[in-house]
Amino acid sequence: DTEVTQTPKHLVMGMTNKKSLKCEQHMGHRAMYWYKQKAKKPPELMFVYSYEKLSINESVPSRFSPECPNSSLLNLHLHALQPEDSALYLCASTRQENTEAFFGQGTRLTVV
Amino acid sequence: QQQVKQSPQSLIVQKGGISIINCAYENTAFDYFPWYQQFPGKGPALLIAIRPDVSEKKEGRFTISFNKSAKQFSLHIMDSQPGDSATYFCAASMRAAGNKLTFGGGTRVLVKP
Repeated sequence: DTEVTQTPKHLVMGMTNKKSLKCEQHMGHRAMYWYKQKAKKPPELMFVYSYEKLSINESVPSRFSPECPNSSLLNLHLHALQPEDSALYLCASTRQENTEAFFGQGTRLTVV
Repeated sequence: QQQVKQSPQSLIVQKGGISIINCAYENTAFDYFPWYQQFPGKGPALLIAIRPDVSEKKEGRFTISFNKSAKQFSLHIMDSQPGDSATYFCAASMRAAGNKLTFGGGTRVLVKP
């Protein structure tokens, strides 16, 4: 199983809503990542979890709150987002000693 | 500061032709250089990757050439097919920085039948 599964695939939310994005992998990878990708742009790193601990936060606004409940699961909690936060949110994972990153299909988020 | 510069931004090639995409990096501490292929609405998928101790790596129709002294690397797609039409991203990472990927700006490749 070399898949990173993200749910939901699409999400439309209002600026006052609270929602969560979910990412799951069963490859035994110990590092997991959230990236944000705007149209026609490369992915931009948001957060890195290593062995279930937050190791990198790329100065992401607090309206994005990551959580890593266990080694297979990564969540991104969303609250009070802005329309400019609309983007494709990508989850990725790597084996700690290997840099090959596997990406999920992404969640297309629209903030209205 | 853009640490990985990618060119061209877009590329049109005839079926059977060669697609060439170039990347240049600034940070000599980078130790891993992957290329990703992304189709619309999908996540990036790893195509091929190289480390700086190797000057060339080939996998099927895809070849990476790496020039450490010039801090440049390139992707060659031989015998390009319409199914290769996608956006290609080069990237660089280093273990010392948590393996986080720094992406180039991307190249949209269109292969005409």
